[in-house]
Amino acid sequence: EPEVTQTPSHQVTQMGQEVILRCVPISNHLYFYWYRQILGQKVEFLVSFYNNEISEKSEIFDDQFSVERPDGSNFTLKIRSTKLEDSAMYFCASSAAEAWGQYFGPGTRLTVT
Amino acid sequence: QKEVEQNSGPLSVPEGAIASLNCTYSDRGSQSFFWYRQYSGKSPELIMSIYSNGDKEDGRFTAQLNKASQYVSLLIRDSQPSDSATYLCAVNKSSASKIIFGSGTRLSIRP
Repeated sequence: EPEVTQTPSHQVTQMGQEVILRCVPISNHLYFYWYRQILGQKVEFLVSFYNNEISEKSEIFDDQFSVERPDGSNFTLKIRSTKLEDSAMYFCASSAAEAWGQYFGPGTRLTVT
Repeated sequence: QKEVEQNSGPLSVPEGAIASLNCTYSDRGSQSFFWYRQYSGKSPELIMSIYSNGDKEDGRFTAQLNKASQYVSLLIRDSQPSDSATYLCAVNKSSASKIIFGSGTRLSIRP
């Protein structure tokens, strides 16, 4: 069964450093998403991406965040200058169509020290 | 008012019984509704999608949607210990691609 994959599974970085989180969505899906979940809190939407551009973003997704689809398979989330409060699980998701169910990857645990 | 509201639980149900999980949402124009299961330390797993009023059954799971009451529910029949997890209600808002998640209901199936 096709699945979303994410790398790395755990990333530790120092405050102020840049990190890139990588995702490979399900191959025939057209819509891609990033969510985050701070420990003990609910899953929060960050950004959606379709046809090589951002279709929607939340207030969390400020100028420190960017997304890119550098080739036909990868989808990345970059945080330019990490803060302590960026520590969270980051989930990539994909869907075949807008408003259809989204399939989540296993997540990347980001720890900012 | 929270956009998607769920009782946090824990909801304790004996093995073999029916577990009933409820969710309300605030945006009357919402179009798509989902139930995700999340085991501790894992990612959300899509278990049910429902788009129109009524019931939708898939194996031991039944999702129910009432748009007039802005209410979604999930029934799990013949509950198993492996069903113990946090169940997340999620709603796709009108004119949006994002999903808004509730805080989840923790379900515990006792042997």
